[in-house]
Amino acid sequence: GAVVSQHPSRVICKSGTSVKIECRSLDFQATTMFWYRQFPKQSLMLMATSNEGSKATYEQGVEKDKFLINHASLTLSTLTVTSAHPEDSSFYICSAPRLAGSTDTQYFGPGTRLTVL
Amino acid sequence: EDKVVQSPLSLVVHEGDTVTLNCSYEVTNFRSLLWYKQEKKAPTFLFMLTSSGIEKKSGRLSSILDKKELFSILNITATQTGDSAIYLCAPLFTSGTYKYIFGTGTRLKVLA
Repeated sequence: GAVVSQHPSRVICKSGTSVKIECRSLDFQATTMFWYRQFPKQSLMLMATSNEGSKATYEQGVEKDKFLINHASLTLSTLTVTSAHPEDSSFYICSAPRLAGSTDTQYFGPGTRLTVL
Repeated sequence: EDKVVQSPLSLVVHEGDTVTLNCSYEVTNFRSLLWYKQEKKAPTFLFMLTSSGIEKKSGRLSSILDKKELFSILNITATQTGDSAIYLCAPLFTSGTYKYIFGTGTRLKVLA
């Protein structure tokens, strides 16, 4: 079964509104979660690393005031797209790594498709 | 600057063909490399590689890592139409904290 959930799976909103996306690890604690966005026919682009108990680390070119990240607990990270515009329309995916020496892996949420009208 | 390059960017083959997908990387403090298959939604895990020269296999898929030359390959034998997808590689490395960066991806289309 899924080990990382993401909600909502799809959202359509008007330009200027804010949208919150939740990412939860279901059966393990994740002190770190990653947020990616993916445009059609392109690869996943790392936006930021969400750290439980501290500020998120943003990749170069990603506006931290535009994409607010809060890692509220060991199982929940949220991404809020503030004052969304049509160019923010994209597929947003979160992931939670499990780093354990020889068994590093990364579990992805199912993704959220955001459409801004 | 950390970077990951995959080749080819796209590939069209016929069922039964064998394909080799390439992933080269330049990252600091490399730890492991993961391969994923992405169809319509989130990527699904294929392989995790940490050691050079040790092939990992799963059915018709296999993968190997060369940490000296900084690349990995993913082989798919006897391809089927269900193998049509984007294949992504992602090295895990440390740059302050652990993180993954995804390659450009290879879009594979298998024709019946």
